[in-house]
Formats: sequence, C-alpha cells, structure tokens
Amino acid sequence: GENVEQHPSTLSVQEGDSAVIKCTYSDSASNYFPWYKQELGKRPQLIIDIRSNVGEKKDQRIAVTLNKTAKHFSLHITETQPEDSAVYFCAASRDTGRRALTFGSGTRLQVQP
Amino acid sequence: DSGVTQTPKHLITATGQRVTLRCSPRSGDLSVYWYQQSLDQGLQFLIQYYNGEERAKGNILERFSAQQFPDLHSELNLSSLELGDSALYFCASSVGPVKETQYFGPGTRLLVL
Repeated sequence: GENVEQHPSTLSVQEGDSAVIKCTYSDSASNYFPWYKQELGKRPQLIIDIRSNVGEKKDQRIAVTLNKTAKHFSLHITETQPEDSAVYFCAASRDTGRRALTFGSGTRLQVQP
Repeated sequence: DSGVTQTPKHLITATGQRVTLRCSPRSGDLSVYWYQQSLDQGLQFLIQYYNGEERAKGNILERFSAQQFPDLHSELNLSSLELGDSALYFCASSVGPVKETQYFGPGTRLLVL
C-alpha cells in the first residue's frame, strides 16, 4: 500500500520568513496530493492540492510543487504570519484501487512573531 | 464550515461499552470516510463508503464497524471499548471515488475511562 513520509515533524520560523514542508510517497500510481492545515482541536482543512498532470500550483502565499519522477512534493509558505501556526498534513491517493487518502505524520509549524 | 456534520461533539464512556458516532456528508457528496486521530498523532484512515457500499478499508479494528445509509449519512460503531480507543474521530466526505477532495467534519472527541 501507499506510504507517505513527511519532514520535518516540527518547524519554527520567524514571522515573514518562508517555510517548506516536504513529503515523499511510495506508490507511483498516486496522482492526487492535497495539503491540510489543522489548528489545535479543529478539523483538518484543505489549503491546496495538486494533481499529477501539473508540477506546481500557487495560491497567494502558498505553493505546492510535485516531482513525479522522484515521488516527492512540497508545500511552500511565504511571508509567514502567526496565524499560519498549525499542524500541516500532506496526503496522497490514486484514482484506481484503494482510493482513500494516505496521510503523512504531520508537521507542527510555529511562526514566531 | 465544511458542510459535514458530526454528532456528538464529545463522548465520555467506560471501557467495555459500545458507542455510535454519526456523520452527515455535504449535500451532493456520495463518499464518506472515517479517520481516527489519537493525541499528537496523524490521521489514520479507517474505512470509506461510497453510495452505500464499502469502498476501501484501512486500519480498522474488528471491534469497529461502519455503514452508510440510503440517505448517505454514516455511522461508526465502536464496541468493547478500550482506553486506547480514546481519540478524535473525523468523518470526511467527497463527491465521489474519483474526485478525491475531502472535506472534514468537526470531529467527535471520544474519551474512554
């Protein structure tokens, strides 16, 4: 089955700096890669996703890049703000077979004001 | 608000008991997913239903079962509860098995004493 590894497990940055979270996946058939943000005690919320037919997607301060050859994808947050502090989860899934999302273990991002 | 509802919000029970968690998907979504999130842990996929049929199974214990009803709401039944079952249980929904964008409900926090 799919295995998703996520690094780092914790990340502390100064307000205004950039943050990068990386994930690798094992199933070469995976073609959908969402990122979720979870604040303490709240539900995971989708912040951006990418499908395997594109290499990069941006939405304001957030971008995701995908390297299918190397089987890794990354989340980039620029100009970080204290409200970006949360746990971020990457995930991967495929259109055939077991379609459910496999999540990474999460990255706790702390943005220091 | 994602449009996914879950009840109850909190549940406190004793070891050996049985509980039922309920989820109503977003209007128009046919797929329902259940996840377990233990303290400081990632999201563990339990089971997926699509239009009333079981679609995929993850790390779901034999003591746990689920079903999706004709009106598309879903219930997760947890029996012979153990202390280690204490966790946040999330339900998520998506349009179908191919479009994998999942929207999470607020979760049910289960405490087994």
